[in-house]
Amino acid sequence: NAGVTQTPKFQVLKTGQSMTLQCAQDMNHEYMSWYRQDPGMGLRLIHYSVGAGITDQGEVPNGYNVSRSTTEDFPLRLLSAAPSQTSVYFCASSSRTGNYGYTFGSGTRLTVV
Amino acid sequence: SQKIEQNSEALNIQEGKTATLTCNYTNYSPAYLQWYRQDPGRGPVFLLLIRENEKEKRKERLKVTFDTTLKQSLFHITASQPADSATYLCALPFSGGYNKLIFGAGTRLAVHP
Repeated sequence: NAGVTQTPKFQVLKTGQSMTLQCAQDMNHEYMSWYRQDPGMGLRLIHYSVGAGITDQGEVPNGYNVSRSTTEDFPLRLLSAAPSQTSVYFCASSSRTGNYGYTFGSGTRLTVV
Repeated sequence: SQKIEQNSEALNIQEGKTATLTCNYTNYSPAYLQWYRQDPGRGPVFLLLIRENEKEKRKERLKVTFDTTLKQSLFHITASQPADSATYLCALPFSGGYNKLIFGAGTRLAVHP
């Protein structure tokens, strides 16, 4: 049982480059979310999805796109990387009831130079 | 706007003592509150969920209280061990549903032998 799998674990981008952070879960969870974590600021919600084909914005969506074509996958796209997007990114999933909390991936550490 | 406050200063305690962490929130009346543990370089791990109609919840050496009048949750670890050293995060749902969580910045706990 893999849980939530994120790839890559580390990435260095140049300003202006684009990339996709991958997230997959094998728990048949309806809800999936992307957070970024910066020192002293905690986790901030970027985008979330309540099911395949349905996505919505969180607190800090600018510069990021998401799609949810299947229940399992929820990729996060950086359109044109900026140094302000240097952060650790976490993908998380939960069941509809949320009774067992969120299951988080191990994170992607992104540096934009 | 909704706000969660956790003590940003690290909590240092002696092994065997009870650790008590605080989570305060404003501008919101959440239906439940969650606590997570995060180790360095890893994603948060769900520990406990307590609902607004539950004053207290226990799981092994963990105890959580939820005071909706004070808008505060207390997280206790009894008989603390060095292995309990980590950052502990509290989380509340954004108004409107289970699928969106807002996280506090976390409190780092260090248990010394």
